[in-house]
Amino acid sequence: QLQLQESGPGLVKPSETLSLTCSVTGGSISRINYYWGWFRQPPGKGLEWIGSVYYSGSTYYNPSLQSRVTISVDTSSNQFSLKLNSVTAADTAVYYCARRGNTGYYHDFWGQGTQVTVSS
Amino acid sequence: QSALTQPPSASGSPGQSVTISCTGTSSDVGRYDYVSWYQQHPGKAPKLMIYEVTKRPSGVPDRFAGSKSGNTASLTVSGLQAEDEADYYCSSYAGNNHFGIFGGGTKLTVL
Repeated sequence: QLQLQESGPGLVKPSETLSLTCSVTGGSISRINYYWGWFRQPPGKGLEWIGSVYYSGSTYYNPSLQSRVTISVDTSSNQFSLKLNSVTAADTAVYYCARRGNTGYYHDFWGQGTQVTVSS
Repeated sequence: QSALTQPPSASGSPGQSVTISCTGTSSDVGRYDYVSWYQQHPGKAPKLMIYEVTKRPSGVPDRFAGSKSGNTASLTVSGLQAEDEADYYCSSYAGNNHFGIFGGGTKLTVL
């Protein structure tokens, strides 16, 4: 069974860079036609797509965050990562990683989520 | 891109049916058959319930059904059960380089 697990610091200072890693087990991140994405959910609010990566390294970002986001993939470690720079309190959220299915646009496997708080 | 529009709340008694709407535009819901629905219990990750408008992943009860008409998609939950009480989010592909958008979520209460 495919499993995803987010990891990274739970507290980030304003203006610094948020860095998270998603470890994928039970399946290869290099499978053709599967994309790997990052999402976030601020406290009491809805979900927001941050961006996605393909095993080849191709990336796709939410235009509203594009200037601050970098997503990368490490196929040798079966992981992909998120970096969000110049964070503010508005970036405080639960961050999720997920796999996008190989047809259409849907996300069928999700990590449990990790809380990231931006505060000095 | 604006978020999709969902009612903030919905409710029904056990055994009843409830329908949650998700309204987008001709650039997202109306253009693509790539609407999905997610169930989220408090403190848990989203769970895929419906994809490509009407399809159910393995393991999702057939009490959950999706549909679409024009720019509005809908999720119908039949035979409501206590465990169906959760937040439900719709999502749609919106083109523009893999861009996806979500609704604001609907809190489903089983009375």
